[in-house]
Amino acid sequence: LAKTTQPISMDSYEGQEVNITCSHNNIATNDYITWYQQFPSQGPRFIIQGYKTKVTNEVASLFIPADRKSSTLSLPRVSLSDTAVYYCLVGDNPGANNLFFGTGTRLTVIP
Amino acid sequence: SAVISQKPSRDICQRGTSLTIQCQVDSQVTMMFWYRQQPGQSLTLIATANQGSEATYESGFVIDKFPISRPNLTFSTLTVSNMSPEDSSIYLCSSREPGPYGYTFGSGTRLTVV
Repeated sequence: LAKTTQPISMDSYEGQEVNITCSHNNIATNDYITWYQQFPSQGPRFIIQGYKTKVTNEVASLFIPADRKSSTLSLPRVSLSDTAVYYCLVGDNPGANNLFFGTGTRLTVIP
Repeated sequence: SAVISQKPSRDICQRGTSLTIQCQVDSQVTMMFWYRQQPGQSLTLIATANQGSEATYESGFVIDKFPISRPNLTFSTLTVSNMSPEDSSIYLCSSREPGPYGYTFGSGTRLTVV
């Protein structure tokens, strides 16, 4: 299983774009990259998943360079409600049976 | 995506007793998972539960301590047995479903052992 490394915490002001980068140097060919969001007293919630290049949905964008050894979750114009822990996971693909969570990034949005 | 109802949401238990946590999924899912999360920490996988077979436990977790049932494709239970204060944690269940939505999690059970 590919290990992931991401910043422990980040602060941002409301309305700014936030980019959280995750390193996964040992990613395997068939691994996907998935990001989850977790609010206090709730279970993690799926945000976005990608394999390469760029993926965008109504919540976020995910940028994956050609070597796939890192990925960047981009949250446009964050609000206070985006304060949460964001987890980057590698290996959530049709063949994977489980998820292994890293430390996550605690994002605090400041008014 | 699926919706998981997990209960109880929290409980305070005496040491030496057992607590059974239930998870109900609103659709049939092949695989369910149980995690533990210490406050302020990341999630640790306890075991994988498939319907019709014994659960598969991760290193550091054993069936005698955390027996799991999976009687059908929509339901699973995790029992925390012979509890000690070290078992105080948040326990979450999860299911996996086909498609791009990944895993769905229950809201968790906050367990305090006194």
